[in-house]
Amino acid sequence: GQNIDQPTEMTATEGAIVQINCTYQTSGFNGLFWYQQHAGEAPTFLSYNVLDGLEEKGRFSSFLSRSKGYSYLLLKELQMKDSASYLCAVRPLGGSYIPTFGRGTSLIVHP
Amino acid sequence: DVKVTQSSRYLVKRTGEKVFLECVQDMDHENMFWYRQDPGLGLRLIYFSYDVKMKEKGDIPEGYSVSREKKERFSLILESASTNQTSMYLCASSFEQGAGETQYFGPGTRLLVL
Repeated sequence: GQNIDQPTEMTATEGAIVQINCTYQTSGFNGLFWYQQHAGEAPTFLSYNVLDGLEEKGRFSSFLSRSKGYSYLLLKELQMKDSASYLCAVRPLGGSYIPTFGRGTSLIVHP
Repeated sequence: DVKVTQSSRYLVKRTGEKVFLECVQDMDHENMFWYRQDPGLGLRLIYFSYDVKMKEKGDIPEGYSVSREKKERFSLILESASTNQTSMYLCASSFEQGAGETQYFGPGTRLLVL
């Protein structure tokens, strides 16, 4: 089975940097997804990490440490539109390959 | 661009009614999924399908069934709706069983069972 933990809620100021953490315990690990979900909308893909290290995509970066069972999503130069839920999802190794989602972190960006 | 559509954004039904939620994707994806999303519980997998007429139970299949008669369409059926099935229902699709394949989600159907 898989156990995925991320903070329920975070707040940050416009223009700042925020780091959303995700820790996981799993019997077999393939990779880790981050999705963004605005209120009332569908989750949309942000990143997928398989190897250790930091991957940068514009203002958003995602980091993975397989040995520590840890990932984070880093959002720079925060904008009001970044207020959303951020979902961490772990893809298992083998079996169905279907990701298991964490409960999501609600990020509130204020002026 | 991948498009996943769901038949209704909002739905109100009565306890005991049979409910159909439809999902259609336009990118010839093999895999389709139904999730429900509840506050504090996150996304939980109800059923998924790898191919036409094929279905597999997810983590919480009780009270639900599915149908996949055509590749592009995946239906979720609540045989006899109950109040604890009030939730946001999200459909998703993905291209293949490759390890890095992302899921594309529909806009969701918010179901209220009275």
